[in-house]
Amino acid sequence: GAGVSQSPSNKVTEKGKDVELRCDPISGHTALYWYRQSLGQGLEFLIYFQGNSAPDKSGLPSDRFSAERTGGSVSTLTIQRTQQEDSAVYLCASSLEQGAGQPQHFGDGTRLSIL
Amino acid sequence: GNSVTQMEGPVTLSEEAFLTINCTYTATGYPSLFWYVQYPGEGLQLLLKATKADDKGSNKGFEATYRKETTSFHLEKGSVQVSDSAVYFCALGSNTGKLIFGQGTTLQVKP
Repeated sequence: GAGVSQSPSNKVTEKGKDVELRCDPISGHTALYWYRQSLGQGLEFLIYFQGNSAPDKSGLPSDRFSAERTGGSVSTLTIQRTQQEDSAVYLCASSLEQGAGQPQHFGDGTRLSIL
Repeated sequence: GNSVTQMEGPVTLSEEAFLTINCTYTATGYPSLFWYVQYPGEGLQLLLKATKADDKGSNKGFEATYRKETTSFHLEKGSVQVSDSAVYFCALGSNTGKLIFGQGTTLQVKP
C-alpha cells in the first residue's frame, strides 16, 4: 500500500549529534519534497528533488542541513551537530511530476526531539 | 515573495453549522491553490485544489473557489460534522511544485 513512508517515526537525540531521516516516496513519483513543521514556524519548505537533482535548496536553514536522493527514489535528510531549535516534525512528500498543480502526498513525518 | 494568510483559530462550531475559513494569498504569476487537512494523529492529506482563476475545488462537502480579483481561496462547508475536527492548511503551489503554507486553522466541532 504504498504511500510515502518515513523513518524513524520518532527520534530523540542529544544536542551536537548527527541524525539521518529517511523518506521512501510513492513508486514512480519523480518529485520529492521535504518540509518542517514546528510550533513557532508552521510548515516550512526545506528542499525539493526532481529525480536525483535538487534544483531548489532555498529552505534549508543552515549548512548543517543536507539532503540527497538516489536512484530517483529514497531520500535522506541529514542534520549535523543538531541544535535544540532543530526539534520539529520533518515531513516528506512526493508527487507524480513537478509542477504547480500537482498534488503532493505526505508521509506521517519524523518527530525529532533534541535534548 | 509568495505568501499565504489564513484566519486565526481555533474555530469552534456546533454540528451542522456553516463553516468558512478565510485564506488570502500574495503571488507572482498564476499559482495553484490547495487546502490540506491534518486529522488528529494523522498526516497531511489533500482536501481539494484549484489550478486557475474561477476554478472551484470540492471534496467531502467542502468547497473553495479560486478568486483572482480578491486573491482569495476561502474554504466552506454547509454543515460540519464532529469528524471534520482537524487542522486545515491553505497552500499555494509555485511553478516548481513547492508549497507555501498558511499557518493553519484548528477546527473543533462539538456535538
